[in-house]
Amino acid sequence: LAKTTQPISMDSYEGQEVNITCSHNNIATNDYITWYQQFPSQGPRFIIQGYKTKVTNEVASLFIPADRKSSTLSLPRVSLSDTAVYYCLVGELWSSASKIIFGSGTRLSIRP
Amino acid sequence: GAVVSQHPSWVICKSGTSVKIECRSLDFQATTMFWYRQFPKQSLMLMATSNEGSKATYEQGVEKDKFLINHASLTLSTLTVTSAHPEDSSFYICSARVGWQGSTLNTEAFFGQGTRLTVV
Repeated sequence: LAKTTQPISMDSYEGQEVNITCSHNNIATNDYITWYQQFPSQGPRFIIQGYKTKVTNEVASLFIPADRKSSTLSLPRVSLSDTAVYYCLVGELWSSASKIIFGSGTRLSIRP
Repeated sequence: GAVVSQHPSWVICKSGTSVKIECRSLDFQATTMFWYRQFPKQSLMLMATSNEGSKATYEQGVEKDKFLINHASLTLSTLTVTSAHPEDSSFYICSARVGWQGSTLNTEAFFGQGTRLTVV
């Protein structure tokens, strides 16, 4: 399983774009990159997943460079409700038995 | 998205007693379920992986006799904390993944809302 490194914490303000970068130097060919969001005393919630280039959904974008050794989660125009911990996960998805291992995550605080 | 429900949401028990936590996939069949524990301000730590109908695979350092996991059906997995002690107090979270459906692989994992266990 590829190890991931994220900033421990980040601060931003409402209305700003927030970019959280995750480093995964040992990513394998079959590995996908997945981001989860977790609020206090709740289970994680899926945000976005990608393999390469750029993926966009209704809540976020995921940028993955050609070498795939890092990825950036982009949250457009954040609000106070985006205050949460964000986890970057890397793992093989072709196997239904592959584990889901969480790293340390990034604690994002949004201020008015 | 699919729903995974945990019960109870919180529980307080006396030291030495056992507590069972249920994890149900409400609108899909889960071939694989995961159990995590999370201490305050820390990340989720994987305890075990269970596949329906087979024994759970525990992570290193997790006592299988203390944390009993049963995955008897495709929609239900249970975690029983036996002879609980105050140090077992934590936030326990389950996750369920569909896996293969015929020739289609559904890899998204859905998480329960968690169970706060307090042992007094």
